[in-house]
Amino acid sequence: DAKTTQPPSMDCAEGRAANLPCNHSTISGNEYVYWYRQIHSQGPQYIIHGLKNNETNEMASLIITEDRKSSTLILPHATLRDTAVYYCIVPTNTGNQFYFGTGTSLTVIP
Amino acid sequence: SAVISQKPSRDICQRGTSLTIQCQVDSQVTMMFWYRQQPGQSLTLIATANQGSEATYESGFVIDKFPISRPNLTFSTLTVSNMSPEDSSIYLCSAWAGDYGYTFGSGTRLTVV
Repeated sequence: DAKTTQPPSMDCAEGRAANLPCNHSTISGNEYVYWYRQIHSQGPQYIIHGLKNNETNEMASLIITEDRKSSTLILPHATLRDTAVYYCIVPTNTGNQFYFGTGTSLTVIP
Repeated sequence: SAVISQKPSRDICQRGTSLTIQCQVDSQVTMMFWYRQQPGQSLTLIATANQGSEATYESGFVIDKFPISRPNLTFSTLTVSNMSPEDSSIYLCSAWAGDYGYTFGSGTRLTVV
């Protein structure tokens, strides 16, 4: 079962930062947090992942709280092409399965 | 990172028939996974497929309905058997891509009529 909770939907103005929260209060010390997005029912696309430190790549930044019970994905300058469903996932520590929650449907508004 | 080729991309099938979906990975991977995504819903894990052993199915999914093959470290198939309209969904495979977590196929959009 999914071990994360996310708001079902969010809007963001084009050019502004999109901040997508995720709660994972039962995360274990060695479990990573992964973020993916899915556009128009295509296959999910990897965005970023982290363990305890904040991470940044060319797509986004990931901020993980010190207690690791929540995280925030930041898209610094949202574009219309960032409209998608964003999933926060904590893989199982037994078989590394990904269980998808409901995700957050982000709509970037012109 | 690994790249997955999945086919067919879509199909329309008659009820009572079966469809086999194929996924080819461009590198050797230990674990592959199959998902179903019903219209407007999130992805649901069907099973985990390891090479050389039988697939492990999630609750609510059975081998007779969704037989899986994993003949080598780069290939897997999922068959949707004795289809009904309720099986109309997108089916996706995935595999571990190393530093980038899991990579996914582009999906098979199945419509059963």
